[in-house]
This record gives sequence, C-alpha cells and structure tokens, in this order.
Amino acid sequence: EPEVTQTPSHQVTQMGQEVILRCVPISNHLYFYWYRQILGQKVEFLVSFYNNEISEKSEIFDDQFSVERPDGSNFTLKIRSTKLEDSAMYFCASSGETEKLFFGSGTQLSVL
Amino acid sequence: AQSVTQLDSHVSVSEGTPVLLRCNYSSSYSPSLFWYVQHPNKGLQLLLKYTSAATLVKGINGFEAEFKKSETSFHLTKPSAHMSDAAEYFCVVSGESGGYQKVTFGTGTKLQVIP
Repeated sequence: EPEVTQTPSHQVTQMGQEVILRCVPISNHLYFYWYRQILGQKVEFLVSFYNNEISEKSEIFDDQFSVERPDGSNFTLKIRSTKLEDSAMYFCASSGETEKLFFGSGTQLSVL
Repeated sequence: AQSVTQLDSHVSVSEGTPVLLRCNYSSSYSPSLFWYVQHPNKGLQLLLKYTSAATLVKGINGFEAEFKKSETSFHLTKPSAHMSDAAEYFCVVSGESGGYQKVTFGTGTKLQVIP
C-alpha cells in the first residue's frame, strides 16, 4: 500500500530556532494536512492545504507556522521560532478523492 | 458544523471479552467516518472507514463498526479482545465544507486489555 513519508523521525532543537518538518505525501493525492499531538493530549488539527494554498487552519497555526509544497512532491511545515510548548509529535497526512486519510509515522519534535 | 464525541476516555476489558468503543458524530452533510488506532510511540493507523456504502464496515484485526444514521453513531466493536489491541483509538469524521475537506478528530479512547 502507498504510504506517506515523514522525515526526520525525531528532531531536537533549541528554543527560538527554526525547524522544518518534511513530508512526502502519496503522489496522486490532492489534500494535505498537518496535525500534532502533545504528549498525553488529543490529536489537534493544524492546517489543511489544497490547490497550492491553505484551505483551513486552526487557532494553533499562528504566524510562527507556515506550510509549503515547494516542488510538487514535498509538503513542509516550518516553525519560525520554536517555543517549549511546540514540543509534540507532528503528523502529516494526505488524501485523494476518497477522503481516506493516510498518515505518516510522525516527527517527534523536542524543543529544549 | 461538524463534531465527534468519543463517549469514553478509557475502556478496560479482559482478554477474550468483547470490545465496544463508542463514537457519536454531528455533521450537516453526509460524512465519511473512520477509526484510527495509535499504539504507544507509534503513528496513526487506519482501522476502517465508512463512505456511504455498506453500513457495517469490517476493518483490520477483527474490528468492525456500524454506521447508524438515526443514532448518529459509529461504534467500534470486536468480539474478542487481544492483548495487542491495547492502544488509543480515534474516531474521525471527514466531509466537504465550503468546497474543502474538513477532518475532525475525536478526543480518543484508551483501551486497556487485562490478561
């Protein structure tokens, strides 16, 4: 079965640094998402992306966050200046016409 | 508006006994519904999905769920729990809103299986 790939699996960064989390969605998919899960809490929606633009974003997705699909295959999440509370597991997902979400295995971000 | 309610944050069953994880949804259109499972320190794995075909959906690992429109429910069941079923389960609703797909997660139910 096709899969969504996320790299790196674990990212450690200092507070205030910029991080880029990378995702390769399934090649013929049209919709792309980022979610995050802070340890012990529920999965939270961050942003959805369709037709090269953000289609929806949550309150969490403030000016420190941005997404990009730079080359037609990668889908990246950038956090400009990380805070301690950004430490979480970040999941990328993509879907095609069937609305079935395929999730990556996640990037564990640790902000020190 | 779209929402998902998972009625139990924790469920504990004995190995070999049935599992019932409850999910109710609210949607102003015909949604697709999913159950995902997350094992400790792992990503999210799709168990099963409902997309307006058969109302009884069979998934992986012996799980199944029944879509009941009149009750706006999509409960997840398994006849006999296995130790490896211990994980967190998320009910998810997805549908079109304003030309875009909107996906909403439930808060999750942690399943404990007692030997």
